[in-house]
Amino acid sequence: GQNIDQPTEMTATEGAIVQINCTYQTSGFNGLFWYQQHAGEAPTFLSYNVLDGLEEKGRFSSFLSRSKGYSYLLLKELQMKDSASYLCAGWDSNYQLIWGAGTKLIIKP
Amino acid sequence: TAGITQAPTSQILAAGRSMTLRCTQDMRHNAMYWYRQDLGLGLRLIHYSNTAGTTGKGEVPDGYSVSRANTDDFPLTLASAVPSQTSVYFCASKGLAGDTGELFFGEGSRLTVL
Repeated sequence: GQNIDQPTEMTATEGAIVQINCTYQTSGFNGLFWYQQHAGEAPTFLSYNVLDGLEEKGRFSSFLSRSKGYSYLLLKELQMKDSASYLCAGWDSNYQLIWGAGTKLIIKP
Repeated sequence: TAGITQAPTSQILAAGRSMTLRCTQDMRHNAMYWYRQDLGLGLRLIHYSNTAGTTGKGEVPDGYSVSRANTDDFPLTLASAVPSQTSVYFCASKGLAGDTGELFFGEGSRLTVL
């Protein structure tokens, strides 16, 4: 079956670094996304990986290992505004997005 | 730029009544999607449309219908609402020529069926 797994909730401290993991099992693979969703708002695009390796974009980086079916989102220099849910999603072979349930990140001062 | 507009933003509906959630985009995107989001579950695809004039069923299509008469509009209809359809509904779009396939989301419609 197709599945995307990520932790339900994580807590981190302002100014620190946090890594949110995502494992996936999809029929075929055509890329993996990370989205950010603040409470009561729509998801917004953070990153897209289709090749193995690390993609860096400011304080946020995303890593992909296709052989391991694994990705992570790395957030550096955490700010209170980073408190949100982080959604992992992957395209399957039919180009339909399969979504994880999201990881709620709580930032403490 | 408006992007994607959904209406209404919030609605309380009696069970058995019909309801249409509206979605309009001004980005000339070909593909459009309707998702529902429930606590503890990922976004689940209800229906999609790859281009005007075509629609397809997603993961949870029962009780919902869609139409795609033109590029901009993709309404979602609940013919006879049931309490299990209480959810937050997101409309999204994607340009087929995009290099990442990034989805752009509307602000969501919160529906409560009593």
